[in-house]
Amino acid sequence: AQSVTQLDSQVPVFEEAPVELRCNYSSSVSVYLFWYVQYPNQGLQLLLKYLSGSTLVKGINGFEAEFNKSQTSFHLRKPSVHISDTAEYFCAVSVSTPDLTTDSWGKLQFGAGTQVVVTP
Amino acid sequence: EAGVVQSPRYKIIEKKQPVAFWCNPISGHNTLYWYRQNLGQGPELLIRYENEEAVDDSQLPKDRFSAERLKGVDSTLKIQPAELGDSAVYLCASSFRTGSYNEQFFGPGTRLTVL
Repeated sequence: AQSVTQLDSQVPVFEEAPVELRCNYSSSVSVYLFWYVQYPNQGLQLLLKYLSGSTLVKGINGFEAEFNKSQTSFHLRKPSVHISDTAEYFCAVSVSTPDLTTDSWGKLQFGAGTQVVVTP
Repeated sequence: EAGVVQSPRYKIIEKKQPVAFWCNPISGHNTLYWYRQNLGQGPELLIRYENEEAVDDSQLPKDRFSAERLKGVDSTLKIQPAELGDSAVYLCASSFRTGSYNEQFFGPGTRLTVL
């Protein structure tokens, strides 16, 4: 089974300052990693994903994340935030090789979320 | 292209009442997911459909929850009877299954309040 831990439940940050959201995962098999953003009263939107290849992944809205296999981490960063980045951010993991006995293909395991509050 | 559509967006009911949620996935998407998101938590998968077949319903509380996806398109999630602990946001997502990865697209959710 996989699990995801988001180390900060809330991150306050000033506008134009950098932000880092921390995510650690646990899995006995290879995984894909994702960051989603949820704006108030909306569904989840994919920010970026790591499937394979380069460990530095760039996403939408200026976000990027780095996959660190030895530390089982996938931290999200943005060098300069805007007021519009105020939202809930979720880290998620799914197995890259499905378990044929449980057909766990595509199943996303989410962290508890990090609320980012950007103030002027 | 239209996204995943869910209705209603909000629902308030008294406990022990039945409730149903409807989801229309993105056209052509063969995989459909229902998630429950409790306050302050990430979404948790309730059930996954491949076309009209439920292939993963291990997290669905089957004593009170049921779901269907007739003709492999729209889906309905039902709770009967509802309990106070069912208050949550119910999210629907869809994807097109090809290869080892597929992106899930989420609808806006239905916020259920059970009084």
